[in-house]
This record gives sequence, C-alpha cells and structure tokens, in this order.
Amino acid sequence: QLQLQESGPGLVKPSETLSLTCTVSGGSISSGSYYWGWIRQPPGKGLEWVGSIYYSGSTYSNPSLKSRVTISVDTSKNQFSLKLSSVTAADTAVYYCARQEYSSLNWFDPWGQGTLVTVSS
Amino acid sequence: DIQMTQSPSSLSASVGDRVTITCRASQSISTYLNWYQQKPGRAPKLLIYAASNLQSGVPSRFSGSGSGTDFTLTISSLQREDFATYCCQQSYSAPYTFGQGTKLEIK
Repeated sequence: QLQLQESGPGLVKPSETLSLTCTVSGGSISSGSYYWGWIRQPPGKGLEWVGSIYYSGSTYSNPSLKSRVTISVDTSKNQFSLKLSSVTAADTAVYYCARQEYSSLNWFDPWGQGTLVTVSS
Repeated sequence: DIQMTQSPSSLSASVGDRVTITCRASQSISTYLNWYQQKPGRAPKLLIYAASNLQSGVPSRFSGSGSGTDFTLTISSLQREDFATYCCQQSYSAPYTFGQGTKLEIK
C-alpha cells in the first residue's frame, strides 16, 4: 500500500522560505509511471495545485506562484521536497503531497495526510 | 487558467437519496476531469478519473459522466459515510485547477 507523509515546520515567518518534505513508502518514487505533486488548501478554501516533479528531476509548477517554488527529488531516500520562498500570510495552508498519474490523465492519488503551515511572525 | 465551477456549493440530503453534483469548466476539457471526496481533517480521496472511470476500491454507487465543459458526479443511494465535501479537478492542462467544492450534509 503506497503511503505518503509530509514533514516540516508548522510555522514560518513572513518573507522566509517554507520547506517541506514528502516521504514515500510502500513503493518507489522512481517508478516511471508517475509524477509526484504538491497541492495546498488554505483554511476554509479550495485546493490549489502547487507543482510536480518526475523522478528524473523534471518539474513544472503553477505560474501563480511565479518563481517562488522549487521542487526537488531524492530518489535514494524516496523523498521529494517543496521550497516556497518569500512567504506571506496568503501562503498559510494545509500542504499535501500526492502521487500524480503521468501519462496524460494527471489525477492525484493517494495523498499524504497533509501538514498545516502557518505564516506568522 | 481553466476555471472550474461547481454547483450547488452545499446540499442537504437523506440516507438513500440519489444526489447529483455538477462541475462546469470555463473551456472544453474533453474528459480530463477527476472527482475527489474530502472529509473534515482528511486528505482528498480520488473517486472518479477521466470523467467516468471509477477508481479501484470506490463503491459502485458513485458514477461520473460528461465531456467538454459539463460534468456530473452522481451518488445513486447515499450512505452515511458519503456525507463529505466533493470537488472536481481538470487535468486537461496545467495549471491543474479544482472546483470550490460541494458540501454534502445530512438532512
């Protein structure tokens, strides 16, 4: 059973960089059939796709986040990571990692349990 | 970006009812439409992919239909565990976007 688990600080100061890691268990992140994605959900609001990465390191992200997003992968640890720079209160959200179907359908399943990141001084 | 609009935003229904939720895309997305169920404090769970394909392990009372810009999620006979929030996601083009959600509540 594939499982994903997010980890990282729950509190980040404005203008600093949010850093999260997703650890994948029960399967290999190097499977060629999937991308690995980050999705966030501000409190009481809808879901927003942040970005995704392939095991080779190929990435793409939401233009709304401009150049603030960096996604990386460590296949030796079966992990992928998200960095979001220059955060503001608007970046406060539950951040989820998820497996993303690769061929063209681009659905997300399964998801990690999510981790709440609050941006506050 | 492709905008996804769901209706209604909330819905009250009873166990055993048949329920339909609608999702509309701001442009044609063929059948690149996925449905998720989310319970409070939990991660979303994939129910339907590519508009009408039931994800493995999802009960057959869930079904999806549609193509182009208009899609529906139907629950044929509501069970207590189905009371949750449902949202759609277009996977036609990045950035992938989600509907705002439909909260299904017990009447």
